[in-house]
Amino acid sequence: GAVVSQHPSRVICKSGTSVKIECRSLDFQATTMFWYRQFPKQSLMLMATSNEGSKATYEQGVEKDKFLINHASLTLSTLTVTSAHPEDSSFYICSARLTTPVTNTGELFFGEGSRLTVL
Amino acid sequence: AQSVAQPEDQVNVAEGNPLTVKCTYSVSGNPYLFWYVQYPNRGLQFLLKYITGDNLVKGSYGFEAEFNKSQTSFHLKKPSALVSDSALYFCAVRDRDRDDKIIFGKGTRLHILP
Repeated sequence: GAVVSQHPSRVICKSGTSVKIECRSLDFQATTMFWYRQFPKQSLMLMATSNEGSKATYEQGVEKDKFLINHASLTLSTLTVTSAHPEDSSFYICSARLTTPVTNTGELFFGEGSRLTVL
Repeated sequence: AQSVAQPEDQVNVAEGNPLTVKCTYSVSGNPYLFWYVQYPNRGLQFLLKYITGDNLVKGSYGFEAEFNKSQTSFHLKKPSALVSDSALYFCAVRDRDRDDKIIFGKGTRLHILP
């Protein structure tokens, strides 16, 4: 259980175009999803918290107009990188929080990541 | 504010030897603690968690971790390392009494030498 699917796994786009990445929780409902960015040999940088049915909460320094997040259902969150530039090239990873009625430990389950390359 | 420290960027261990990946944390309340593993170009996989109770937690792939409240540590261990254990390991903490976020350490790269 607790499978998170992320698509696409790799995407190459031209500078100035927009790219959408999808994150789905396959066997559970996730009211909260998280988007991370990971640079080579570096840790995860939390970009934003995606809440179903409401606006995403962005971390300091993350441009909300550039990284559009939509969480339209309990199983799907999308990240759209708008007007992409080469410096946006990175590994983007989504995660969904699993909360059970018994324990509220809220551990995260991660998608496989999306490697974005902007030419 | 909560934080996680992984003091080692890289750990090298010979195959068959025991391994330890260190993690210390800081929270104002009581912690939930987690370990995740990441293989190249993949997402993170959940290994194990500490909620409450027994300080020694057993997880996937033969890994275990020991919660030490007095030392605020949650070191990851395995009695006998495999080459396939080579990966990037992340420790994470969530303050069960306060903030809702899970905070990750910077990661430790584990190299198991054949």
